[in-house]
Amino acid sequence: ETGVTQTPRHLVMGMTNKKSLKCEQHLGHNAMYWYKQSAKKPLELMFVYSLEERVENNSVPSRFSPECPNSSHLFLHLHTLQPEDSALYLCASSQDGRGYNEQFFGPGTRLTVL
Amino acid sequence: QKEVEQNSGPLSVPEGAIASLNCTYSDRVSQSFFWYRQYSGKSPELIMSIYSNGDKEDGRFTAQLNKASQYVSLLIRDSQPSDSATYLCAVNWSGGSYIPTFGRGTSLIVHP
Repeated sequence: ETGVTQTPRHLVMGMTNKKSLKCEQHLGHNAMYWYKQSAKKPLELMFVYSLEERVENNSVPSRFSPECPNSSHLFLHLHTLQPEDSALYLCASSQDGRGYNEQFFGPGTRLTVL
Repeated sequence: QKEVEQNSGPLSVPEGAIASLNCTYSDRVSQSFFWYRQYSGKSPELIMSIYSNGDKEDGRFTAQLNKASQYVSLLIRDSQPSDSATYLCAVNWSGGSYIPTFGRGTSLIVHP
């Protein structure tokens, strides 16, 4: 595997389900990000981890819970979601997040909440 | 609040023409600037990065940065139908922030 991978690529879940999104980066980067992308809206940053420490939580509802066990893996745990949470969820990584570094994105998970 | 503004388009240009995409940002305390291309249903991919005033060229792409006027642009020469996508402008702010801000993106259509 190369770059940034995400699983699953598609997910349909009910409002009472619990599911997790997984992201893995194979670039040796130290910062990882979760974004939400809804139609006609800009990318919304959800969480940032640098060296496994959460450095940003952008007022995201508690029904989204991130986990970063090491610098290569990032999870987004989902529970009791709402239909408006349906979106493309993108994971990204960068060398260290200190401004000069571009981000590399995974292919995304298309989430549909029924 | 720091913001990045882009015209949502669509910007329609004929094949072979120059496509000009513009982006303005709200805060002078900015550090680095990026252009990403996103095809429909796909994730963003980096096209260009630029850090200092002036032009930076890479193949058919030229990024232009003017910090005094707070804008950054992307020129695509000899536009091809395969360039049809949404182009996202992103700004990283100085001061140790890990948070890039993305614009809404400009939709580009290159017609044969």
